[in-house]
Amino acid sequence: GEDVEQSLFLSVREGDSSVINCTYTDSSSTYLYWYKQEPGAGLQLLTYIFSNMDMKQDQRLTVLLNKKDKHLSLRIADTQTGDSAIYFCAEKADSWGKLQFGAGTQVVVTP
Amino acid sequence: DAGITQSPRHKVTETGTPVTLRCHQTENHRYMYWYRQDPGHGLRLIHYSYGVKDTDKGEVSDGYSVSRSKTEDFLLTLESATSSQTSVYFCAISGEGPNGYTFGSGTRLTVV
Repeated sequence: GEDVEQSLFLSVREGDSSVINCTYTDSSSTYLYWYKQEPGAGLQLLTYIFSNMDMKQDQRLTVLLNKKDKHLSLRIADTQTGDSAIYFCAEKADSWGKLQFGAGTQVVVTP
Repeated sequence: DAGITQSPRHKVTETGTPVTLRCHQTENHRYMYWYRQDPGHGLRLIHYSYGVKDTDKGEVSDGYSVSRSKTEDFLLTLESATSSQTSVYFCAISGEGPNGYTFGSGTRLTVV
């Protein structure tokens, strides 16, 4: 079956760039997603990328997709304390929309 | 979260009792999902629905049942709660197209 893997933890200093990595196995994925979860809250969609794209930029967020290596990354520029959260990578595993999630990366931003 | 609400937000129950969690949406989305979130396991799919009275099992469905009698409501029932079902439960909805899921705020369930 499909599998999505992420590193579990990332520590970054305020003002630096954060890069969160994700690998997936389903080569038929059509969309790939990044979600953010703040403490005590549900997951919030940050951005997504269509599988025929290599890069997508949205303000401080840059998503890079390497389809050959099945590797997805999320770069957060000028990381702020409000960016401390768990970040989930997900792939669209079925044509009608069921998503497969990674285990999440805990990002801690230090002053 | 806009368009999706979960109730209750918190619940403590005793082992062996039945528990029902409710997910309500106002988006008229076709697809609805129940996940549980536990440390070290990320999100695990319990059950999902692709329409009224159309449901299917996810990867961790044992001990859970669901019902969807109306588009807007998706109920998750723990038939006889066990301590291993202590978790945070999330409902999500999705429509067609690329927009992914919208998640509810979660229900924190403690089984004592």
